[in-house]
Amino acid sequence: DVKVTQSSRYLVKRTGEKVFLECVQDMDHENMFWYRQDPGLGLRLIYFSYDVKMKEKGDIPEGYSVSREKKERFSLILESASTNQTSMYLCASSLGGGGGEQYFGPGTRLTVT
Amino acid sequence: GEDVEQSLFLSVREGDSSVINCTYTDSSSTYLYWYKQEPGAGLQLLTYIFSNMDMKQDQRLTVLLNKKDKHLSLRIADTQTGDSAIYFCAPRGGYQKVTFGTGTKLQVIP
Repeated sequence: DVKVTQSSRYLVKRTGEKVFLECVQDMDHENMFWYRQDPGLGLRLIYFSYDVKMKEKGDIPEGYSVSREKKERFSLILESASTNQTSMYLCASSLGGGGGEQYFGPGTRLTVT
Repeated sequence: GEDVEQSLFLSVREGDSSVINCTYTDSSSTYLYWYKQEPGAGLQLLTYIFSNMDMKQDQRLTVLLNKKDKHLSLRIADTQTGDSAIYFCAPRGGYQKVTFGTGTKLQVIP
């Protein structure tokens, strides 16, 4: 079974803090993704990576950065958290080929106060 | 980019059929996925259809694809309370990118 784990289920941070969200997958997948999920907006792609040290912007990258130093780990960084970044953050991974079936982690509910 | 639209909410009685609809804009979509998200969990792939098919049946699930109208639907027969979840339509389009719809929250009334 593919397993995608995220470092926290719930996180509360203050405005202006630097926030790290970690994601680890155990199936040697090439692709990894970060989404945010908001009611009525569905999932929106923030960043994705097709290989180690490689990253591509998704649809809403502003205010975020990512790091992929190892194949199994993909980190999402909020350089200076703001209240409009309060959301559910979902990490996913998939085999190479650019998309296809994605395996999701359980999500991190981030609240920025 | 691609737009994927779904109605936000659907309520059905246990034992009835549920039909969740989706419209999309990218005519080059090759695979069209349906994901399910149960409360407090991430998304899981439920089923998918290739763009050269009109219909796919998988136990209680039936997927219908109308490529001309760019319309996809998911029918769940004999809906159970365990089917209560959010369902996402997700076409895989140009550049192999998967775009997720807004999600339809299915409520099953016992």
